[in-house]
Amino acid sequence: GAVVSQHPSRVICKSGTSVKIECRSLDFQATTMFWYRQFPKKSLMLMATSNEGSKATYEQGVEKDKFLINHASLTLSTLTVTSAHPEDSSFYICSARDLRVDGYTFGSGTRLTVV
Amino acid sequence: EDQVTQSPEALRLQEGESSSLNCSYTVSGLRGLFWYRQDPGKGPEFLFTLYSAGEEKEKERLKATLTKKESFLHITAPKPEDSATYLCAVQALGAGNMLTFGGGTRLMVKP
Repeated sequence: GAVVSQHPSRVICKSGTSVKIECRSLDFQATTMFWYRQFPKKSLMLMATSNEGSKATYEQGVEKDKFLINHASLTLSTLTVTSAHPEDSSFYICSARDLRVDGYTFGSGTRLTVV
Repeated sequence: EDQVTQSPEALRLQEGESSSLNCSYTVSGLRGLFWYRQDPGKGPEFLFTLYSAGEEKEKERLKATLTKKESFLHITAPKPEDSATYLCAVQALGAGNMLTFGGGTRLMVKP
């Protein structure tokens, strides 16, 4: 089946710094990837849709200047949390649609802690 | 607005005690309903996609069914390794690739 690799799995950073999270599709090309955020014991909330070679589409209430998304190739999308603050601490998960299967494949997630 | 409600929020079962998880949904037009399993600290793992009322899919001890208003995930003779959070999501017609997730059901199976 489709494999989506997400890195890093955990990151701790200081307030005011930026953190980059990578999401790679290992065995298929993903023209579209999705970034979700998940709070403890809560469900996934879509943040943005990342489109290869074009600008990302952000959901209402998501600050595009804080959560920078780049999808420069068919296998890699990155999410950069800029000027991170403690309230940005969360579990971030990427996803991609593999046309070979009838579902969406998720990465293993990144636990971000801002101190 | 698309809505997905899962019940119960948490479910404790003894090993071998079969049960069902519920996913109620409201969507203008359903393109697909998805079931995922999520272990703590991990991303969701794809289980099933259902497209139309009456459809059923099975995988090992799991069976998913779909009606026009809800979906059930039946777990037959569960084992401790089935303990996880089970997530339901819908994709609406005309919504592109957007999935709307329910809050999940945390399943705990005791040996």
